Amino acid sequence: GQNIDQPTEMTATEGAIVQINCTYQTSGFNGLFWYQQHAGEAPTFLSYNVLDGLEEKGRFSSFLSRSKGYSYLLLKELQMKDSASYLCAVDTGGFKTIFGAGTRLFVKA
Amino acid sequence: EAQVTQNPRYLITVTGKKLTVTCSQNMNHEYMSWYRQDPGLGLRQIYYSMNVEVTDKGDVPEGYKVSRKEKRNFPLILESPSPNQTSLYFCASSLSWRTGTNTEAFFGQGTRLTVV
Repeated sequence: GQNIDQPTEMTATEGAIVQINCTYQTSGFNGLFWYQQHAGEAPTFLSYNVLDGLEEKGRFSSFLSRSKGYSYLLLKELQMKDSASYLCAVDTGGFKTIFGAGTRLFVKA
Repeated sequence: EAQVTQNPRYLITVTGKKLTVTCSQNMNHEYMSWYRQDPGLGLRQIYYSMNVEVTDKGDVPEGYKVSRKEKRNFPLILESPSPNQTSLYFCASSLSWRTGTNTEAFFGQGTRLTVV
């Protein structure tokens, strides 16, 4: 079966660092996406990891371990506008991308 | 401006009344797909299209139809809507489905459908 797990909710403080984990078990794997989705809006692309390791993009970084079926999204210097849902998604090949249920991040002052 | 446009944004309809949600992209993308998003379940793929006249079922296709007569348009059709199709729907497009190419998805703004 196909399974993607991520925490339902997380809370962090403005200016802090937060790590959102994602574990996956899928029948195929080409790469892993992270998307950000503000309430009532469309998801927007953050990152796509194909190879193991950490990729940094400004305040956001994404890590992948293919052997462990594990990824995380690291958000540094949190801002109030980072309050959103973060969606982990696996590109399984075969034209399909499977999404996790998302992690709602609350950033408090 | 590069974008994916869905219409309508909001729709309330009655059970059994056929409806179409339109989706258009101006990026010359090959790959388009439809998702529904429900609380606690995340985005689930309904149908996808690899190119003009090439479509296939996603994970939850029952009760939906699609067509891809032109590269830019990918409408979602509900022939006989039922209350369990009440959901938030997103259309998305990607440059290509081929492995190794840029497969980042661009999403439309969503259509909130209520079937009563």
